[in-house]
Amino acid sequence: GEDVEQSLFLSVREGDSSVINCTYTDSSSTYLYWYKQEPGAGLQLLTYIFSNMDMKQDQRLTVLLNKKDKHLSLRIADTQTGDSAIYFCAESPSNTGKLIFGQGTTLQVKP
Amino acid sequence: GAGVSQSPSNKVTEKGKDVELRCDPISGHTALYWYRQRLGQGLEFLIYFQGNSAPDKSGLPSDRFSAERTGESVSTLTIQRTQQEDSAVYLCASSWDRENTEAFFGQGTRLTVV
Repeated sequence: GEDVEQSLFLSVREGDSSVINCTYTDSSSTYLYWYKQEPGAGLQLLTYIFSNMDMKQDQRLTVLLNKKDKHLSLRIADTQTGDSAIYFCAESPSNTGKLIFGQGTTLQVKP
Repeated sequence: GAGVSQSPSNKVTEKGKDVELRCDPISGHTALYWYRQRLGQGLEFLIYFQGNSAPDKSGLPSDRFSAERTGESVSTLTIQRTQQEDSAVYLCASSWDRENTEAFFGQGTRLTVV
């Protein structure tokens, strides 16, 4: 089946690292995504990883993929107050093409 | 246009009325998605259009919900006999094709059923 699960809330202090975790069920997903939703704004793609990769780094963002355990994580280094948002993990099962989202993790960054 | 456009941005309707929500995808995008986001909740998949293929309607919650898309352009999501539990933000997204790495989202239509 298709299901993506995330923890609902994470609170960190400014300057610390944040790690947001996600588990997914469909091993056929070619790409796995992280989207960011800021208050009152639409969703924007933050980063993605191809399923044959273990890690992808993009400036302060590091995505880790454990395909065996179907576990995806997003690490934000030196978290800033501007990083406060809801972060959605998404999979795209290759036989359907549709994007399946998790319920989102609210990241609260305290000054 | 430059991005995915949805209209109206806000809609208040009385219980039992029909509503129609519109999505203008980015020109040339063959894939179009509708999602529902209830207050404080995640994105709930509703329907997916890909080119001229039959749409994936597996996420539509009841037969009161339907959606159409003309070719690779505008899509409309219709909710008949609206209920209070239909209150949510309805998000539309489009992308180039099913293997594309990025779906672009509209700002959503906030539907309130009173």
